[in-house]
Amino acid sequence: DGGITQSPKYLFRKEGQNVTLSCEQNLNHDAMYWYRQDPGQGLRLIYYSQIVNDFQKGDIAEGYSVSREKKESFPLTVTSAQKNPTAFYLCASSKGMDSYEQYFGPGTRLTVT
Amino acid sequence: GQSLEQPSEVTAVEGAIVQINCTYQTSGFYGLSWYQQHDGGAPTFLSYNALDGLEETGRFSSFLSRSDSYGYLLLQELQMKDSASYFCAVRDSDSGAGSYQLTFGKGTKLSVIP
Repeated sequence: DGGITQSPKYLFRKEGQNVTLSCEQNLNHDAMYWYRQDPGQGLRLIYYSQIVNDFQKGDIAEGYSVSREKKESFPLTVTSAQKNPTAFYLCASSKGMDSYEQYFGPGTRLTVT
Repeated sequence: GQSLEQPSEVTAVEGAIVQINCTYQTSGFYGLSWYQQHDGGAPTFLSYNALDGLEETGRFSSFLSRSDSYGYLLLQELQMKDSASYFCAVRDSDSGAGSYQLTFGKGTKLSVIP
């Protein structure tokens, strides 16, 4: 079955530590995205990638970093510079940046204390 | 920048019809999408309107009026499993991230009661 996987489902970290969230897709999609969702809020775009070895900042990129070394993988690192990292993180993919349908992974709920 | 407005909560009775409205402000508008998200789950795509009018997919329909910068999602024959949050999202070119970025509204939490 094709889809997007994110791991782990729940993640706990101490303040000051960097943490990397995994995102893998086997849909053969070119474009991948990372969103952050806070309670009662919509999804806000952190980073996106249109193609391997290329990525662009979204609306709230500060304190985050990404890489896109493989088409299937788009990991997100939450650095200690992110002031309020506790949130629900969603990874998504689409056939291309011009596709109107995005497919989402199950999300990772990160708690930093 | 972009802005989207949708009601924060809606309650409806099982078997009834409910309409969730979305108004938006943006330039370079390409289309309006709707996504469903159950608590703790992943958003799933429901519909997309690029042109004015009504699109129907089973019990769900979506409407767009570009001149009014307005759209709605219509859910018919409501079922308990329809209890979820519904997000409208505009696809536009008016963003620093480039063309075709999706900007999401804050979501409408629909509660279906017996």
